[in-house]
Amino acid sequence: DARVTQTPRHKVTEMGQEVTMRCQPILGHNTVFWYRQTMMQGLELLAYFRNRAPLDDSGMPKDRFSAEMPDATLATLKIQPSEPRDSAVYFCASGLAGTARLSTDTQYFGPGTRLTVL
Amino acid sequence: AQTVTQSQPEMSVQEAETVTLSCTYDTSENNYYLFWYKQPPSRQMILVIRQEAYKQQNATENRFSVNFQKAAKSFSLKISDSQLGDTAMYFCAVTTNSGGSNYKLTFGKGTLLTVNP
Repeated sequence: DARVTQTPRHKVTEMGQEVTMRCQPILGHNTVFWYRQTMMQGLELLAYFRNRAPLDDSGMPKDRFSAEMPDATLATLKIQPSEPRDSAVYFCASGLAGTARLSTDTQYFGPGTRLTVL
Repeated sequence: AQTVTQSQPEMSVQEAETVTLSCTYDTSENNYYLFWYKQPPSRQMILVIRQEAYKQQNATENRFSVNFQKAAKSFSLKISDSQLGDTAMYFCAVTTNSGGSNYKLTFGKGTLLTVNP
């Protein structure tokens, strides 16, 4: 059963510390998305990649957040320095995009990383 | 810009009964996809059902079906024979695939559904 995996599942850190979240997309998927979920804002798209290239990171605070895909099996989201307002659940999702309208367009979500910044 | 509106923050239903969750959206695209995701207390986001905008036939997955009204930009979810395990937050979402280059998924704020025994 192919699934998106995320590590760690929970992270508690102190303000100012660096946080790195990792995601392994479903094998064969060529798009990866990072979302943040909070009570106030709901689900927000932070960034997404296609074929490992960043396509859109306009939802991400550039001064402290960075997202990368070192290879096709790993995506990372880093916060440096972290702040209490970054406390949220961060989801990674993957999908298979094509060039025709018959691509699946379905995104499959990982279990999320619950981040608490004290 | 796309927007998704779920006008019912909370709903409840008795076990075995039918419930309908509403969703309206706005998009300027002609080719797009609509989704319902379910988020139980475990927080896992689970795909419930998917609808391609170019298909007139409403999608169905077992007890879950949609009423897709393209002209009205409405996409409601019907759950038949509700089960206790259906208790969750339900999110409506829309994405576009303009030649495979625009792939953003926009979510509504969600509807919390409680199934009562």
